[in-house]
Amino acid sequence: DAKTTQPNSMESNEEEPVHLPCNHSTISGTDYIHWYRQLPSQGPEYVIHGLTSNVNNRMASLAIAEDRKSSTLILHRATLRDAAVYYCIPPSGGSYIPTFGRGTSLIVHP
Amino acid sequence: GAVVSQHPSWVICKSGTSVKIECRSLDFQATTMFWYRQFPKQSLMLMATSNEGSKATYEQGVEKDKFLINHASLTLSTLTVTSAHPEDSSFYICSAADGDQPQHFGDGTRLSIL
Repeated sequence: DAKTTQPNSMESNEEEPVHLPCNHSTISGTDYIHWYRQLPSQGPEYVIHGLTSNVNNRMASLAIAEDRKSSTLILHRATLRDAAVYYCIPPSGGSYIPTFGRGTSLIVHP
Repeated sequence: GAVVSQHPSWVICKSGTSVKIECRSLDFQATTMFWYRQFPKQSLMLMATSNEGSKATYEQGVEKDKFLINHASLTLSTLTVTSAHPEDSSFYICSAADGDQPQHFGDGTRLSIL
């Protein structure tokens, strides 16, 4: 299985950029990297995913290291609504069985 | 965007009752659906993976006779917690995916067994 390592928590001020790191050193060559976030008492929400190239969408950007052993989710301007637990999930070895680690709890200060 | 509807959003019932939770993909066909359980201040724990028309694959330690999963169509999966007891109280979350596309999650069902 592709294990992931994320910091337990991070803090940011509103309107500032946030870089959320994830290490996934055992990822296989064909596994996509998915990011989700979960607000309190809600189901997780899809944020972004990518394979090798950096990706952008309306919510965030995803920077993937050249060796694919790590990635960084970038929120360009954090808002209070971005306070959530962010999960980085590479699937395991070609059969997509998504398992969630502890994720990173993002605290955004006004 | 892809929408997954989960119903009911919360249930309170007596010990020994069976509870059914529905998960529907509203605007896409879900070849695979996943069921998770989440206890307070913990991460999501995968319970089972369900492919349309076939038996669910349960994770180690999850009792298949206790948690019955049916995935009869490409848009509907159900989880039935049979003879529920207080220790089954938790937040149950489903997700749906079309092939290897990203998952889309329901809003969860908070189950409280008295």
